[in-house]
Amino acid sequence: EVQLVESGGGLVQPGGSLRLTCVVSGFTFSDHYMDWVRQAPGKGLEWVGRTRSKADSYTTEYAASVKGRFSISRDDSKNSLFLQMNSLKTEDTAVYYCSRLSAYYYYMDVWGKGTTVTVSS
Amino acid sequence: DIQMTQSPSSLSASVGDRVTITCRASQGIGNNLAWFQQKPGKAPKSLIYAASSLQSGVPSKFSGSGSGTDFTLTISSLQPEDFATYYCQQYNSYPLTFGGGTKVEIK
Repeated sequence: EVQLVESGGGLVQPGGSLRLTCVVSGFTFSDHYMDWVRQAPGKGLEWVGRTRSKADSYTTEYAASVKGRFSISRDDSKNSLFLQMNSLKTEDTAVYYCSRLSAYYYYMDVWGKGTTVTVSS
Repeated sequence: DIQMTQSPSSLSASVGDRVTITCRASQGIGNNLAWFQQKPGKAPKSLIYAASSLQSGVPSKFSGSGSGTDFTLTISSLQPEDFATYYCQQYNSYPLTFGGGTKVEIK
């Protein structure tokens, strides 16, 4: 069974940092691009960023709202995806989901349950 | 950035109704469009990709159509488990963008 499990969320003060982890199972992690998507309370979905696979040199893409503050990485040996969040702002408060990209069509075909990040003083 | 505009933002429907949700892109995206269903407190679930292809395991009452800038999601016969919020998303170019969502409620 394909599973994605996020962890690392919590309460952090503005300006602080947090590192989210997504551990996957049930598929060959190294073959897939992976995305992070977030959802602020009561709001819609917002794409955060992407890491490509080793075959595409682990290159990354980011939304303008997080570029320069957030960094996506992965450890294929540990089936793990990471989101390093620095200089956090109150508007980064959201549920953060990791998602797998389909190998051929590059759409988000499987999602984790999410982890909640609250940025508040 | 490509803006995705969904309509309506909410609708009330009865069990058994046929429901259609529209998504419009601010510029052409080919067929690089996905639809997701989200229930309260849950993660989104993939329904449709490539505008009209059904995700494995999703019932055939869901269908998608369109290309270019105009797309639709249709639920042929609404069931109680279908009451949820539906989002379209373009994956043609960065940044990836979602529509604002359509909340389907019970009449």
